[in-house]
Amino acid sequence: QVQLQQSGAELARPGASVKLSCKASGYTFTSYWMQWVKQRPGQGLEWIGAIYPGDGDTRYTQKFKGKAPLTADKSSSTAYMQLSSLASEDSAVYYCARGGKLAAGLAYWGQGTLVTVSA
Amino acid sequence: DIVLTQSPATLSVTPGDSVSLSCRASQSISNNLHWYQQKSHESPRLLIKYASQSISGIPSRFSGSGSGTDFTLSINSVETEDFGMYFCQQSNSWPHTFGGGTKLEIK
Repeated sequence: QVQLQQSGAELARPGASVKLSCKASGYTFTSYWMQWVKQRPGQGLEWIGAIYPGDGDTRYTQKFKGKAPLTADKSSSTAYMQLSSLASEDSAVYYCARGGKLAAGLAYWGQGTLVTVSA
Repeated sequence: DIVLTQSPATLSVTPGDSVSLSCRASQSISNNLHWYQQKSHESPRLLIKYASQSISGIPSRFSGSGSGTDFTLSINSVETEDFGMYFCQQSNSWPHTFGGGTKLEIK
C-alpha cells in the first residue's frame, strides 16, 4: 500500500533553514508527482509546489520559488523540501501528498511536519 | 493562477440534513476539480476526484457535480462524522490551487 512518511517536527530560529523529508513506499516513486502543501494554524490549505522524481521537473506557486526548493532522491524514494530564511509566517504544518498519473486528486498524504519558527 | 472561491465559509447543519457546498473557479477548468475533507489535527482525505468521480471507501452520501467554473459537493443526510473542513482543488493548470474552505459545523 502507498505510504508517505514525513520527518519529525522542527523548531527553528528566524532566518534559519530546515529541510523536510517525505519517504515514499508502496509504489514506483519515479512515476508520480510529489506535491507539498502548507497549512498555517486554523487556516486553509496552500499549494507550494510539486516535483516529478523521474526527471526532477518542478512546479511552484510563485511566492514559494526560491523559498521552498524541492528535490528528490530516487535511490531512497525520498522527496525533500528545504525552507529557507524562516520567519514567523512559515510556522505551519507541511504535508507531502501524491495524486494520480496526471498529478490530480491527492489520494495519499503524509502525516504532516510541524515547523515552528521562534527565537 | 486560478482562484477557487468556496461558499459558504461556514455551514451550520443538523445531522440528517442534506447540504451543498459550492466551489467556483476564476476561469474554466473543465472537470479538473477535486474535493477533500479535513478533520481537526488530521491530514486531508480525498472525497471526490474530477468533479464527480467517486473514491473507493468514501460513503455514497458524498457526491460531486459541475464542470467549467461551477462545482458542487453534496452530502445526502449529514452524519456527525462529516463535520469538519471541506476544500476544493483544481488540477487544470499549475499551480494546483486550493479553495479557501467551507467549515461544516453542528447547529
